[in-house]
Amino acid sequence: EVQLVESGGVVVQPGGSLRLSCAASGFTFDDYTMHWVRQAPGKGLEWVSLISWDGGSTYYADSVKGRFTISRDNSKNSLYLQMNSLRTEDTALYYCAKDSHRYYGSGSYYPHWGQGTLVTVSS
Amino acid sequence: QSVLTQPPSVSGAPGQRVTISCTGSSSNIGAGYDVHWYQQLPGTAPKLLIYGNSNRPSGVPDRFSGSKSGTSASLAITGLQAEDEADYYCQSYDSSLSAFYVFGTGTKVTVL
Repeated sequence: EVQLVESGGVVVQPGGSLRLSCAASGFTFDDYTMHWVRQAPGKGLEWVSLISWDGGSTYYADSVKGRFTISRDNSKNSLYLQMNSLRTEDTALYYCAKDSHRYYGSGSYYPHWGQGTLVTVSS
Repeated sequence: QSVLTQPPSVSGAPGQRVTISCTGSSSNIGAGYDVHWYQQLPGTAPKLLIYGNSNRPSGVPDRFSGSKSGTSASLAITGLQAEDEADYYCQSYDSSLSAFYVFGTGTKVTVL
């Protein structure tokens, strides 16, 4: 059974930094592209970032580009999101999601999601 | 911020059929990219409901069906049940510069 377990969400002040983690199990982690998707309280879903199966390619939504960094450690079956220069509008539940494919592309979708970790940016 | 537009809410009585539209543009659905649908029950993570426009993952009841035409897609729920009360999101790929993957604005389905 595929399991994705996020952690690291806390309350942080504007301008602060935070690192989220996602522990994966139940599948061959380095066979898949991985994503972060977020959901602000009471709002819809927003794609944040992706990282290719080997970590060689990363992409970001404009809203986080230059502030967030996605990474992975395939030896630890773990995905990370380093979040810097946090803003109040970054407050959201952050989900780790497994891509449907090894190679990201126009047909990618998300068969498996974690339960999310809550990041609150507030003074 | 969402580039895929859905109605905020739809409702129906048990047993009825409801449909949810997802309207995009020439940079996403209209460009021929697949549409996928997710169901989000209250307080839980999204669950994949339909992939590749009209395909159901194993375990999803055949009451759920998807279709796509032009710049829009639709999710239909037939034989509506109380357990279908949830938020539903469409998702596709966008070839513009702002984001690779885009979600719809979300639709709350209420079972009367």
